[in-house]
Amino acid sequence: EAGVVQSPRYKIIEKKQPVAFWCNPISGHNTLYWYRQNLGQGPELLIRYENEEAVDDSQLPKDRFSAERLKGVDSTLKIQPAELGDSAVYLCASSLDTALVYRAEKNTEAFFGQGTRLTVV
Amino acid sequence: GENVEQHPSTLSVQEGDSAVIKCTYSDSASNYFPWYKQELGKGPQLIIDIRSNVGEKKDQRIAVTLNKTAKHFSLHITETQPEDSAVYFCAASIIAGYSTLTFGKGTMLLVSP
Repeated sequence: EAGVVQSPRYKIIEKKQPVAFWCNPISGHNTLYWYRQNLGQGPELLIRYENEEAVDDSQLPKDRFSAERLKGVDSTLKIQPAELGDSAVYLCASSLDTALVYRAEKNTEAFFGQGTRLTVV
Repeated sequence: GENVEQHPSTLSVQEGDSAVIKCTYSDSASNYFPWYKQELGKGPQLIIDIRSNVGEKKDQRIAVTLNKTAKHFSLHITETQPEDSAVYFCAASIIAGYSTLTFGKGTMLLVSP
């Protein structure tokens, strides 16, 4: 079975231009996350979805970042306009439904995609 | 919110030696502590995790220990091999509601043949 699929793998854009990243989670995983990983740092959450609902977007810079997961499956993260400081790796992850995990003590593992490396010049 | 500190930032060992990476967390409500390994150009991959109802968990050459009172947990790798070279991240979260993983800053482990 395929893991979390992200595209593109690499993206170079000029500042002020828009950019979009796409993620297809593991089949059956209701929870989807977007993380940003700066060089030499750990991943930091941008937004978390439970099905199509964004349940935590407190760290998403809403003036320029937006995300959607219209049918509760794949998701798109957009930046418009991009700034130099947005250069980072954008990681998508998915996991089983959190409530189900809590009740049934099931595997809580979050599976990560390979990420999209964004360079803003 | 949760804050996770990880040490050391880099760790160099000889093949066959043991490696220990330590993390502390701030939120006493956290009850799930995974460790991820990230190789160059790849996303993080879970290697072992522990819940707060146990103090130690082992999987072949890898073990994790948890001290809830002191709010710290550690990753132990024995008989290190060159393929263990990677960046390791600890994380913490609460298994309930909408809590999300908070990651440490990572430890770059270099295993020399």
